[in-house]
Amino acid sequence: AQKITQTQPGMFVQEKEAVTLDCTYDTSDQSYGLFWYKQPSSGEMIFLIYQGSYDEQNATEGRYSLNFQKARKSANLVISASQLGDSAMYFCAMRPPNNAGNMLTFGGGTRLMVKP
Amino acid sequence: ETGVTQTPRHLVMGMTNKKSLKCEQHLGHNAMYWYKQSAKKPLELMFVYSLEERVENNSVPSRFSPECPNSSHLFLHLHTLQPEDSALYLCASSQGGRPSGANVLTFGAGSRLTVL
Repeated sequence: AQKITQTQPGMFVQEKEAVTLDCTYDTSDQSYGLFWYKQPSSGEMIFLIYQGSYDEQNATEGRYSLNFQKARKSANLVISASQLGDSAMYFCAMRPPNNAGNMLTFGGGTRLMVKP
Repeated sequence: ETGVTQTPRHLVMGMTNKKSLKCEQHLGHNAMYWYKQSAKKPLELMFVYSLEERVENNSVPSRFSPECPNSSHLFLHLHTLQPEDSALYLCASSQGGRPSGANVLTFGAGSRLTVL
């Protein structure tokens, strides 16, 4: 079974600074997908970035980048130039290779608070 | 309407009531999901429908009854719930079949359920 661990329940970052949110995972599969989602107070889960286990380069999407270290089984999210609107819960998730649906296993989340 | 819409956004019900949560997606997806988000717990997958057939029932108590009449609509029928069922219920959709690449889940804003 897959397991996702996010060890930082809450973090503060100063506006305009970069921040790294940690995610480690446990799987025996060789092929898998890793996702990060943002959940603002409104409740909706917003997709941020995806990394495939065979992707050789780290994924980037605007101010978001994923620091993927396969041997360490870590997939940390880096947010550059933090903005006040980045204050939210952030969830790391994994998709195993063989399932009938696009089912994700989520970590417990990290609450990010951006200080002005 | 675009994306994934969930109604009602908030619901308060007694333990003997019967109510339903509704989810509608306008993305042309053919797989739909119910997730439960309780306080201080990771998101838990409840049900998955792919091409209108249930492909996953994650050991959910029978007091939760899903229904997927077509690929655009998903319901969660609730009856004789317990106070511990109070949570945010998130609906999501995606392309069905064997997932590949960044085949992401698109989530609705959730229905916050309180059971008295």
